[in-house]
Amino acid sequence: ETGVTQTPRHLVMGMTNKKSLKCEQHLGHNAMYWYKQSAKKPLELMFVYSLEERVENNSVPSRFSPECPNSSHLFLHLHTLQPEDSALYLCASSQSQGRSNYGYTFGSGTRLTVV
Amino acid sequence: GNSVTQMEGPVTLSEEAFLTINCTYTATGYPSLFWYVQYPGEGLQLLLKATKADDKGSNKGFEATYRKETTSFHLEKGSVQVSDSAVYFCALAPGAGSYQLTFGKGTKLSVIP
Repeated sequence: ETGVTQTPRHLVMGMTNKKSLKCEQHLGHNAMYWYKQSAKKPLELMFVYSLEERVENNSVPSRFSPECPNSSHLFLHLHTLQPEDSALYLCASSQSQGRSNYGYTFGSGTRLTVV
Repeated sequence: GNSVTQMEGPVTLSEEAFLTINCTYTATGYPSLFWYVQYPGEGLQLLLKATKADDKGSNKGFEATYRKETTSFHLEKGSVQVSDSAVYFCALAPGAGSYQLTFGKGTKLSVIP
C-alpha cells in the first residue's frame, strides 16, 4: 500500500473515553504532521515530527498526546476531550531537511465527533 | 514571517465558466508554491506546484504561474466542471532549510450545472 493511511475514518467518543488515531506512510518520508480542520476555520498545525523527534507543538491542550515510534507511524492519543474538539484530523508526511519543494502528502483524515 | 492570502469564498460558478482564485504570499528568499484541493469528506491532495519564479504548474486543466514581481500564484481553469467543486488551498514552503508549509485559509468552489 502506498501513500498516507489514516485509521479510523470516523470516530465517535464520549468525553471520558480514551482513543487513538493512527497514521501510516509508505513513502519513505521522514517528517510527519498532525493538523486539525474545524468547520469554517483555517487548518491548524498541531504537531510536527522530524526524524521521529517532535519539533513543534503549537499550544495544543494536553488532552492531545502525539507519539511517533518510527518514521512510518504517527499516533494521536486522545483523552477527556471536549465537544469543541470535534473536527477532521489530518495527518501528512513530507521529506525534511531542505527538500521543501516536494510538498506534503495528506491522508484522508479521521472525522472525530465528541459527544 | 511567512503568510499566504487567498480570496474569500465561497465562489459559485456555472459549468464551463472561467475560474480564477487569487493567491498572494509574503516570504523571504525563494519559496516553493503549491495549490492543494480538498474534495468533500477527503484530505488535501496536491494539485500543482511551482518551485521558482516564472514556473507554471499545471494539472487537470488547472494552471498557476509563479510571479515573483507581484508575489502571486493565482489558480486558473478555462472551463470548470461540477466535479471541480471542492475547497482549494494555496500554500508555500519557505525554501532550503525549512520544510514546513504555510497554508492559506482555503477557498470553497461550487460549480452548478
